[in-house]
Amino acid sequence: DAGVIQSPRHEVTEMGQEVTLRCKPISGHDYLFWYRQTMMRGLELLIYFNNNVPIDDSGMPEDRFSAKMPNASFSTLKIQPSEPRDSAVYFCASSPQGIAYGYTFGSGTRLTVV
Amino acid sequence: AQRVTQPEKLLSVFKGAPVELKCNYSYSGSPELFWYVQYSRQRLQLLLRHISRESIKGFTADLNKGETSFHLKKPFAQEEDSAMYYCALGNQAGTALIFGKGTTLSVSS
Repeated sequence: DAGVIQSPRHEVTEMGQEVTLRCKPISGHDYLFWYRQTMMRGLELLIYFNNNVPIDDSGMPEDRFSAKMPNASFSTLKIQPSEPRDSAVYFCASSPQGIAYGYTFGSGTRLTVV
Repeated sequence: AQRVTQPEKLLSVFKGAPVELKCNYSYSGSPELFWYVQYSRQRLQLLLRHISRESIKGFTADLNKGETSFHLKKPFAQEEDSAMYYCALGNQAGTALIFGKGTTLSVSS
């Protein structure tokens, strides 16, 4: 298995543009998580899914952020419109049974909004 | 509220010195705690889980419920231990992890 795959690795966009981040979890993992990493806040949980259903999106900063998981092998995190304060590294992670055995993280997407 | 506190942003030690990365938590009930590590230009990876009571790469962590702490320790630091370390706490539902802000460990010779 190639692990959790995220794309793109880097994204530079202008303020106001729509940004879509993508994640492919490990096959057979029922849980998928989106985190944001910044120097000031560390790792923040944005949203997570169980069997493609969003369970908790209380960490999504505002309505500009949305996430979907149309099937077990794909998830997107969309920011529309993007703002400079959204600049961060966005991580996707998956796990077979919630937290019991920890997560497997993807390599992250470094987003820069100028 | 569930919370993880890592009071140090940066910890600098010399090679061979003991290391203790501090982690305190706030939680009602029996917590599930983890340490994750992120080496330069690599993805976050699980270092150890408190429930396993394991030692990985010479690191250990003991849960102290009285002090609500889960400090990460290593008796003799190596240069290759230089990385960002995150302490994480399982949420009440046992389905997601809440991370601290992380501590950067720098080991120099």
